Amino acid sequence: EAQVTQNPRYLITVTGKKLTVTCSQNMNHEYMSWYRQDPGLGLRQIYYSMNVEVTDKGDVPEGYKVSRKEKRNFPLILESPSPNQTSLYFCASSFDRLRGQGATEAFFGQGTRLTVV
Amino acid sequence: GEDVEQSLFLSVREGDSSVINCTYTDSSSTYLYWYKQEPGAGLQLLTYIFSNMDMKQDQRLTVLLNKKDKHLSLRIADTQTGDSAIYFCAERTGGSYIPTFGRGTSLIVHP
Repeated sequence: EAQVTQNPRYLITVTGKKLTVTCSQNMNHEYMSWYRQDPGLGLRQIYYSMNVEVTDKGDVPEGYKVSRKEKRNFPLILESPSPNQTSLYFCASSFDRLRGQGATEAFFGQGTRLTVV
Repeated sequence: GEDVEQSLFLSVREGDSSVINCTYTDSSSTYLYWYKQEPGAGLQLLTYIFSNMDMKQDQRLTVLLNKKDKHLSLRIADTQTGDSAIYFCAERTGGSYIPTFGRGTSLIVHP
């Protein structure tokens, strides 16, 4: 089954304690992205990656890091989480170069609800 | 810069039609999408339309595109309580596979 898997689904942590949210896709997609969703602000892009070892900042990258060492994985790292990073996070992937661009549907993970206290 | 605008809320009565509107600014948009987010879940693609089309219909869903006004709408006929969700409009240009999302419209369906 084609899917994007995020872990964990829920996380409560304390300020300053480093954490990683994992994201994995099984669709051979080139493109992966992280978003945060906050009430009234919709989806805001944090970082994205066009391919292995190629990452770029989105609209709200401060306080986050990412890496793309393998095509299928795109972890989101919070080196020193703060309460303003409490949010719902989504990973998404799209575009299989072998199948062509087409309409390029984006597939989303189920979300990670992070609370920083 | 690129921007996609939607109203935040829409409330309709069960059985009525819902119309969710979206405007975008990038005139080179090639693909326009509607995603649905049900409570506690990620976004899922509902439907999409190419920029060379004016309308697309799929069962209860009708997408209308006015390219001149950069206006996209999603009409849901005979709205049901199961249609209650957040609906996101998104656009993408042909040379990019980075979609730009609107803030989402919360559709509330009441009896």
